[in-house]
Amino acid sequence: DIQMTQSPSSLSASVGDRVTITCRASRFISSFLNWYQQKPGKAPKLLIHGASSLQSGVPSRFSGGGSGSDFTLTIGSLQPEDFATYYCQQSYSTPHSFGQGTKLEIK
Amino acid sequence: QVQLQESGPGLVKPSETLSLTCSVSGGSISSYFWSWIRQPPGKGLEWIGDIYYSGRTSFNPSLKSRVTISVDTSKSQFSLKLTSVTAADTAVYYCAAYDSSSYSFQHWGQGTLVTVSS
Repeated sequence: DIQMTQSPSSLSASVGDRVTITCRASRFISSFLNWYQQKPGKAPKLLIHGASSLQSGVPSRFSGGGSGSDFTLTIGSLQPEDFATYYCQQSYSTPHSFGQGTKLEIK
Repeated sequence: QVQLQESGPGLVKPSETLSLTCSVSGGSISSYFWSWIRQPPGKGLEWIGDIYYSGRTSFNPSLKSRVTISVDTSKSQFSLKLTSVTAADTAVYYCAAYDSSSYSFQHWGQGTLVTVSS
């Protein structure tokens, strides 16, 4: 199975900040990497698929990068509604697996 | 817009079988792989398995021996059965639509909390 490791596990930032979250796969996954945002009590929401393709309707301040085994999610200028937990997920092979999550909190 | 809605008991006794159904609306049952994903309270996400409308299934090896997923295309529903549950199976269970074009979980149900307790 492919293990996904995110860093940091938690992050404090201010509105307007630029933040980057990292996700590393335990082996090569090409660009089969997705990012989701989850708010308390809600289902995850797809932000980025294929490592860097912005899902329809998602603000352009979100961007994804990387390939192979190392990936990033960047939020260009944090907005109040962006404070949430973010998960990466690989779809290179089953079982589909998720990172442990990065909780983004207001500083 | 595809919408998914989970239904089923919120409380299951240890050693019994957890049964959930997901109703799909706003999209074709043949367009996605229909998945179950769970999230224990305060923890991360775990993929349980999925089914295609043809009936082809795929499961997480960690749960495979206890999981059955089925689909009823006539009702636009798919279901999860998890046998011999323990407290470790307490979680929010989500149904989700996996899109094989974008290789991502495009649509999610709101989730349903299932507690395993006597």
